[in-house]
Amino acid sequence: EIVLTQSPGTLSLSPGERATLSCRASQSVSSGYFAWYQQRPGQAPRLLIYGGSIRATGIPDRFSGSGSGTDFTLTISRLEPEDLAVYYCQQYGTSPRTFGQGTKVEIK
Amino acid sequence: QVYLVQSGGEVKRPGASVKVSCESSGYSFSTYGITWVRQASGQGLEWLGWIGPYNGNTIYAQKFEDRVTMTIDTSTNTAFMELTSLRPDDTAVYYCARDCVEMATVPVALDMWGQGTMVTVSS
Repeated sequence: EIVLTQSPGTLSLSPGERATLSCRASQSVSSGYFAWYQQRPGQAPRLLIYGGSIRATGIPDRFSGSGSGTDFTLTISRLEPEDLAVYYCQQYGTSPRTFGQGTKVEIK
Repeated sequence: QVYLVQSGGEVKRPGASVKVSCESSGYSFSTYGITWVRQASGQGLEWLGWIGPYNGNTIYAQKFEDRVTMTIDTSTNTAFMELTSLRPDDTAVYYCARDCVEMATVPVALDMWGQGTMVTVSS
């Protein structure tokens, strides 16, 4: 099983600041089969990025994904208050498809 | 508009089974696979398995292989997830979610999610 480790556990930033979230895999992830999700309080997860760097439909361009192999990054270029959420990474190249434990983004 | 509407919350005794439904609308149900994910209170996301489009091929997480069954009913555009031999640590919100691409032959990223079904296992 591929274990995904996200860092930091919590990120506390002000509106307008840049957020950088990391996800490290215990083994190389196949062919960019990597996604990022946002889960706002009390809601279901929402797909932000798939294929490592492809923004899902309707996702603002201030969200971007990068990385390959074992190291992946989600960047939020300018934080907005509605970005308060937990962000999960996922690999879907190898069974079982696994998620990271999440990074909580707090807005100061 | 694409919707995935799940069945209501369930309370079950240890050892019982639960069957959660996920009714879809707004897209061609038979061309997209469905994944089931669960989330215990305050915890992260756990992948249970996937049922593919059209022919209903399944891929289950090994952890649940002997207890989970995923099915689809194309006549009602509904997916089902049954979990047997329930234990208290199966208490969680169970989500269904749709593949982000059509006719995927393996599980892919998930672009639409149901609202979640709370399953509580308690004696």
